[in-house]
Amino acid sequence: DVKVTQSSRYLVKRTGEKVFLECVQDMDHENMFWYRQDPGLGLRLIYFSYDVKMKEKGDIPEGYSVSREKKERFSLILESASTNQTSMYLCASSFRQREGRKNEQYFGPGTRLTVT
Amino acid sequence: AQRVTQPEKLLSVFKGAPVELKCNYSYSGSPELFWYVQYSRQRLQLLLRHISRESIKGFTADLNKGETSFHLKKPFAQEEDSAMYYCALMSAGGTSYGKLTFGQGTILTVHP
Repeated sequence: DVKVTQSSRYLVKRTGEKVFLECVQDMDHENMFWYRQDPGLGLRLIYFSYDVKMKEKGDIPEGYSVSREKKERFSLILESASTNQTSMYLCASSFRQREGRKNEQYFGPGTRLTVT
Repeated sequence: AQRVTQPEKLLSVFKGAPVELKCNYSYSGSPELFWYVQYSRQRLQLLLRHISRESIKGFTADLNKGETSFHLKKPFAQEEDSAMYYCALMSAGGTSYGKLTFGQGTILTVHP
């Protein structure tokens, strides 16, 4: 059974704080993703990584950075948290895309971040 | 640029009624399309993918390339189908790395 875990379910931070969200997967997946989930906007991709130390910007990378030092772990960093970053953050992982492969993304339980 | 549109934010039906959740996409190539579901207090999970042409929990979805649609259907809705549903598109090959583009989501409520 695929397991994607996130370090916190709920987090409350103050404006200007540096925030770390951690994600770990145990399926040896090459790809890892960070999304934010907001009502009416769906899931929006912040950053993704297709290999250790490799990263690509998603659709909304501003205000975020990421780190992937080990294959199983992908961290999302808010350098200076702001109130508009209050959201649900979802991590996901998948195998590298291959034709004929299932190409399914597996999601973590989410971290609800509130910035006050 | 690829885009996925789910025109209904909310959809309410009664138990036993047919249900259709709409999804339209724009993509120049040959997409791979998915439906993901999130039940209350559970994580987002794959419901079905168009390549498999499968029926999961009574749901089916047919890719209509002419209309660029991938609507999700079930002939007889059940209360346990109440959830948030997302349509998603994966661009094929190249440097896409299996990225998904999600629609805005539709909250389905099935009343007893």
